[in-house]
Amino acid sequence: DAGVTQSPTHLIKTRGQHVTLRCSPISGHKSVSWYQQVLGQGPQFIFQYYEKEERGRGNFPDRFSARQFPNYSSELNVNALLLGDSALYLCASSLGAGGYGYTFGSGTRLTVV
Amino acid sequence: KQEVTQIPAALSVPEGENLVLNCSFTDSAIYNLQWFRQDPGKGLTSLLLIQSSQREQTSGRLNASLDKSSGRSTLYIAASQPGDSATYLCAVDDSGAGSYQLTFGKGTKLSVIP
Repeated sequence: DAGVTQSPTHLIKTRGQHVTLRCSPISGHKSVSWYQQVLGQGPQFIFQYYEKEERGRGNFPDRFSARQFPNYSSELNVNALLLGDSALYLCASSLGAGGYGYTFGSGTRLTVV
Repeated sequence: KQEVTQIPAALSVPEGENLVLNCSFTDSAIYNLQWFRQDPGKGLTSLLLIQSSQREQTSGRLNASLDKSSGRSTLYIAASQPGDSATYLCAVDDSGAGSYQLTFGKGTKLSVIP
């Protein structure tokens, strides 16, 4: 069975640009969460989506947005990129909204120059 | 607001030694606690999931305990091997409190010396 897949694996963007990151959850999982991990820190929660509805939002600016599609895949969008947005973006898949444990993808490494 | 602390931040041990990694959290109203492993530049690999009603979980050479009332968890690694070298992250699931998120510690970086 395929695990959580994220694309792209790496990308480089210029300040002010927009980026879209994609995630496909494990088959049968209906919840997708997004996390940002900067070097040397633990991952920070950005969003959780369950059954296509936003169920949680972390302390991130409105430049960050996300959505979940009918097939439960998800996109994370970041507008007006800043140098500080450079990080590893992790997607996590879960059976339900909470309490089931999470499976993470390999992440997307975003570098903003 | 939930806060998770991991001690020590880094640990270096000779191969074959048994070791303990510590995790503490401030709000005991958690749904479960999950231990992850992260290799440099990679994603997270789940090691053990302990539900709030459980005291411990075991998988191979790994054993994790949970004391919810005191806000503590430990990850015990037996007979460490060089392949165990990685960063170990502890995360608590606050979903029972309605926040639907994992709160992570900063991790313990483990080096096992051959």
